[in-house]
This record gives sequence, C-alpha cells and structure tokens, in this order.
Amino acid sequence: DGGITQSPKYLFRKEGQNVTLSCEQNLNHDAMYWYRQDPGQGLRLIYYSQIVNDFQKGDIAEGYSVSREKKESFPLTVTSAQKNPTAFYLCASSSQGGGGQPQHFGDGTRLSIL
Amino acid sequence: QQQVKQSPQSLIVQKGGISIINCAYENTAFDYFPWYQQFPGKGPALLIAIRPDVSEKKEGRFTISFNKSAKQFSLHIMDSQPGDSATYFCAASMGGRRALTFGSGTRLQVQP
Repeated sequence: DGGITQSPKYLFRKEGQNVTLSCEQNLNHDAMYWYRQDPGQGLRLIYYSQIVNDFQKGDIAEGYSVSREKKESFPLTVTSAQKNPTAFYLCASSSQGGGGQPQHFGDGTRLSIL
Repeated sequence: QQQVKQSPQSLIVQKGGISIINCAYENTAFDYFPWYQQFPGKGPALLIAIRPDVSEKKEGRFTISFNKSAKQFSLHIMDSQPGDSATYFCAASMGGRRALTFGSGTRLQVQP
C-alpha cells in the first residue's frame, strides 16, 4: 500500500539534545512538508520541499532543520535551539502540478521533553 | 493575509442532524480549499476539497459551500453519525507555495 511512514511514534528529548524524526513516502510525490500541531490548534508549517535537494522555511522554522537528499525521504531535526519542542509532528506529501494538490499525511510523531 | 479563521471551536450534534463548520480567509490568492478529518493519534485525512471556480461540491454526506465574494467556505455534514466524531480542519493554499494554511480546528461530537 502506498503511503507515508513516520517514525518513531513517540520520542523523548533531553535538554540540549538534537533529535531526528523520520518521514518516508512511497507515493512518488515530489513535494513533502513538515507541520507542527499543538493541542487545540491547527497545523503550522515548519519546512517544505518541492524537489530533491531543495527546501524552504515555513512559518515556524526556527529551531528546526531538514534535508532532502532522496525523493522519498524528508527527515526533520529538532535542535536544542527549539525551546518548546513538545508537540505532535506531522509529515505530508503531494504531487506537483498546477493549483492545489491533495496532501497525504502520516500518522505523526509525538515528541516530549524528559 | 495568511490566516484562515475557523468556527466553532467545538460542536455537539445529535445523530441524524446537520453539522456545519465555517471558515473565512483574507488572502484572495488562495485557490484551493480542502477539508481534513482527524481522529485522535492519527494524521489528518482529506475529506473533500473545492476550487474557487465553483460554489458547491458534494461528496456523499459531505458538502462544501464556497462564497468567493465573502471569502468564506463551509462544510456541511448531512445525517451526522457517531463515527463522524472527530476534529475537522479547513485549509487553503495558493499555487506557488502549495503548503497548506490551516484553520484552528473544530471538534465535532455526534451524540447517539
């Protein structure tokens, strides 16, 4: 089945530690996205990538970094500079093309501070 | 300019009733308006979407109404069922960026 796989499902971070969230898709989509979801709030865009080896900052990129070395993979690193990392992180992908294209989401990684 | 405002924050509907969720936007460059359904611990799933060249789109029990002049769009769930209990998000995107701008979500509870 085609889809998006996020791992791990739960992740704990210690003070001063960087952690990396994995996102893999087998939908052959060019575009990939990372969103952050806080309780009772909508999703906010962290980073997005429309093509391999290229990515753009979203609305809340500070304290995060990404890479896009392969079409199917878009890992997100939460650095120690992100002072409030506790949230539900969602990865999505979509095909390219004119106008809007449906975004498909993974089932998220819940990150907490130890 | 990027905001999408969603209301109500929560909604309780009786089984068989109509659920209505509203969204408003400011940026006239938005050209794609999807609705997502999210269950606890899961990622959002696309429910239905509309483009601004049509005023209404229906898929089964779900209908989007779109008012371009008022910059508003809404989701109607007909014959609401307990299985529809979830959080619903409206969103919008525009051609260049494609990333979605989300509303704050509506928690729907359908009582049996």
